[in-house]
Amino acid sequence: RKEVEQDPGPFNVPEGATVAFNCTYSNSASQSFFWYRQDCRKEPKLLMSVYSSGNEDGRFTAQLNRASQYISLLIRDSKLSDSATYLCVVASNDYKLSFGAGTTVTVRA
Amino acid sequence: DAGVIQSPRHEVTEMGQEVTLRCKPISGHNSLFWYRQTMMRGLELLIYFNNNVPIDDSGMPEDRFSAKMPNASFSTLKIQPSEPRDSAVYFCASSLRFYEQYFGPGTRLTVT
Repeated sequence: RKEVEQDPGPFNVPEGATVAFNCTYSNSASQSFFWYRQDCRKEPKLLMSVYSSGNEDGRFTAQLNRASQYISLLIRDSKLSDSATYLCVVASNDYKLSFGAGTTVTVRA
Repeated sequence: DAGVIQSPRHEVTEMGQEVTLRCKPISGHNSLFWYRQTMMRGLELLIYFNNNVPIDDSGMPEDRFSAKMPNASFSTLKIQPSEPRDSAVYFCASSLRFYEQYFGPGTRLTVT
């Protein structure tokens, strides 16, 4: 079983829509959680950390459910520039990040 | 400030040849990571250096792969001999805080 599993999508949404997706992780001892963003043929970049209480960063909201071992990301008021692959990332120790395969989001005009 | 620099950006080589990928991390970062990304396996950690010392190389696929970090500003990943299944994008990343990793643009390797 993979450490981090994501729905690959793609999620095709119109501008202004809300899109949400989850990922699940297998290691209950995982300590930290993040979302990275990867544009087509580019490098991954940190989007935001995910805290137990849930957190927002502008139009982005991340949630963590430790009991069910899943993480979610919600994007409100989608922009064309939000089109990317979103990588769910889990840290099981103080240096190793496990990356999900990514969820592709395409925002259309 | 310059980000992580990788070279070459693209490499096409024949099976059996030696391949050397290079990375210059962000100045001041004390951790360096080499990753490989493929469609089938996603992003995999190959090796992690902290203060130029290899800490975890458990992701290195086999003895054909080796990595060095002779100083704080340079690292190499070498594949010898290369095989077609090594074809992938190889990323180098550096960080001060482990979770905030800054990735280089990657080297797209094709082994024919």
